[in-house]
Amino acid sequence: DAKTTQPTSMDCAEGRAANLPCNHSTISGNEYVYWYRQIHSQGPQYIIHGLKNNETNEMASLIITEDRKSSTLILPHATLRDTAVYYCIVRVGRSQGNLIFGKGTKLSVKP
Amino acid sequence: DTGVSQDPRHKITKRGQNVTFRCDPISEHNRLYWYRQTLGQGPEFLTYFQNEAQLEKSRLLSDRFSAERPKGSFSTLEIQRTEQGDSAMYLCASSAGLAGIYEQYFGPGTRLTVT
Repeated sequence: DAKTTQPTSMDCAEGRAANLPCNHSTISGNEYVYWYRQIHSQGPQYIIHGLKNNETNEMASLIITEDRKSSTLILPHATLRDTAVYYCIVRVGRSQGNLIFGKGTKLSVKP
Repeated sequence: DTGVSQDPRHKITKRGQNVTFRCDPISEHNRLYWYRQTLGQGPEFLTYFQNEAQLEKSRLLSDRFSAERPKGSFSTLEIQRTEQGDSAMYLCASSAGLAGIYEQYFGPGTRLTVT
């Protein structure tokens, strides 16, 4: 699975959009980009995944660059409850094994 | 809500004792995963099951660790002769096989403290 690089921490004002970047310059053609988050003292929670096209669900949007070497997770209207560590993971689609987590980005949403 | 449950939520034990944790996955999920997480780090994979078969084990899973999923439903993770370095959060996750292979649903974890 390709390696990912994320900023260690970010701040966002409540109600504003939170844009979390992820670099995955060695991604291969059959690898998907997944995002999970972990709120303090809880298990990780799946957010969204994508291959090439931009994706949106009820939680977030995922923007993947055309060369697929980087992506951005967008939380459109961040709330205090979005304060968490966000993990960007790259893995082969339909991979049947484990997730490889890095250290992620600690997002702090401030009032 | 019938999400992934783990028991106990917290365990304090003395070095050298054995401990066992239980994970109950989402009922229709046939894959079950165990991860370990230490402070400030992301979760690290330990092992996973498809139904009752243990298909992969990490090199982190020393011979003091054993995991079972006897009937393809709940799973147990046992640590024998605990060491202080075993202190961590132990997370369980499950997924639904091919249809839901992208999403792993995690439990709340069991926090182990070895004194």
